[in-house]
Amino acid sequence: QAGLTQPPSVSKDLRQTATLTCTGNSNNVGYQGASWLQQHPGHPPKLLFYRNNNRPSGISERFSASRSGNTASLTITGLQPEDEADYFCSAWDSSLTAWVFGGGTKLTVL
Amino acid sequence: EVQLVESGGGLVQPGGSLRLSCAASGFTFSSYEMNWVRQAPGKGLEWVSHISPSGNNIYYADSVKGRFTISRDNAKNSLYLQMNSLRAEDTAVYYCARLSIPVDIRSFEYWGQGTLVTVSS
Repeated sequence: QAGLTQPPSVSKDLRQTATLTCTGNSNNVGYQGASWLQQHPGHPPKLLFYRNNNRPSGISERFSASRSGNTASLTITGLQPEDEADYFCSAWDSSLTAWVFGGGTKLTVL
Repeated sequence: EVQLVESGGGLVQPGGSLRLSCAASGFTFSSYEMNWVRQAPGKGLEWVSHISPSGNNIYYADSVKGRFTISRDNAKNSLYLQMNSLRAEDTAVYYCARLSIPVDIRSFEYWGQGTLVTVSS
């Protein structure tokens, strides 16, 4: 099953802003949006955003999500050391009748 | 508090079988869609299988179709994954994950800690 496309890595300086992208098609991201997950080494993934770009309780307001067409974006402002992690997007693909994930973006905070 | 606890992982030879379990607590298990998602060492997330609250709707990734079977026991608040004809490429941490509701915004909301499956001779 085809997955979603994410840049493998992004590096930004402390306190700067990072924008991560997730590109799919009209059957997945363009259909009902994508959710975002954060994963630190040795830990399970953690939901950052629901598919409607709503933030679960407890997630910092420094994180925001949006979508334009078939591309979803995750923006992190005021980068902190603890933001260094892998970020994954996921969506339901109505054509494949399957969940698809992006390959993940490793965010490095310099 | 929502808790998902996987068990049943371990070392198995190629061609062998294993049954994973996921014990759920802290929510009305019978109301939620559940999934298995795996992560090979050093790799990204790969969706494996999905089951509806009643168990009537089931989906599999092409990579496991015909070899893996997902099931649930709502009376026991438990999710299962029967894995047969295991291959080296099935080696991964297997996560149990609960989807959120309502359906139109469903996302992988809660995850267990995972159980490691290693397929090797």
